[in-house]
Amino acid sequence: KAGVTQTPRYLIKTRGQQVTLSCSPISGHRSVSWYQQTPGQGLQFLFEYFSETQRNKGNFPGRFSGRQFSNSRSEMNVSTLELGDSALYLCASGGGGTTQETQYFGPGTRLLVL
Amino acid sequence: DQQVKQNSPSLSVQEGRISILNCDYTNSMFDYFLWYKKYPAEGPTFLISISSIKDKNEDGRFTVFLNKSAKHLSLHIVPSQPGDSAVYFCAANKAGNTGKLIFGQGTTLQVKP
Repeated sequence: KAGVTQTPRYLIKTRGQQVTLSCSPISGHRSVSWYQQTPGQGLQFLFEYFSETQRNKGNFPGRFSGRQFSNSRSEMNVSTLELGDSALYLCASGGGGTTQETQYFGPGTRLLVL
Repeated sequence: DQQVKQNSPSLSVQEGRISILNCDYTNSMFDYFLWYKKYPAEGPTFLISISSIKDKNEDGRFTVFLNKSAKHLSLHIVPSQPGDSAVYFCAANKAGNTGKLIFGQGTTLQVKP
């Protein structure tokens, strides 16, 4: 079974631009979650999508948004990029159950904002 | 509000010995705990998990222990191998929020040959 895939793997943007990242979950998985990893803040939860609906949301500004398509693929968008948005963005997929579910991570997208 | 804490930023052990990584949590609603291994610029790789109704789970060289009364869990790696050198993250979630993992800050394990 193929794992979680993320594209692109690397991105360089400038302040003020916007960016869209893509995530394809493991086949059969219906939940996709997004995380941001930075040296200072560690791994922080952004949001989770299940059945094309946002099911959970972390404490990030509205510049961070996402969506999920009917095939469970998900995109994350960051508008008006700031230097502090430079990070490794990870997505994870799960079966979507409501208890004791393991999340499996993709390789991440490394975003550098100049 | 750090709900999951890994108080040791780093750990160094000799090859063949036991590695013990520790994790503490504060939220009693957490009912599922996971350990991930991570290399720089890569995604975390799932290692092992434990349900809150258990106190021990084993998978090969990896064993996770859960002490609910102390809100503490630990990952034991026996025997440790140089390939185990990586950053280890403890994470937790709760029923109804399975897609929202709360992570510790990570512990860097170095296994010396």
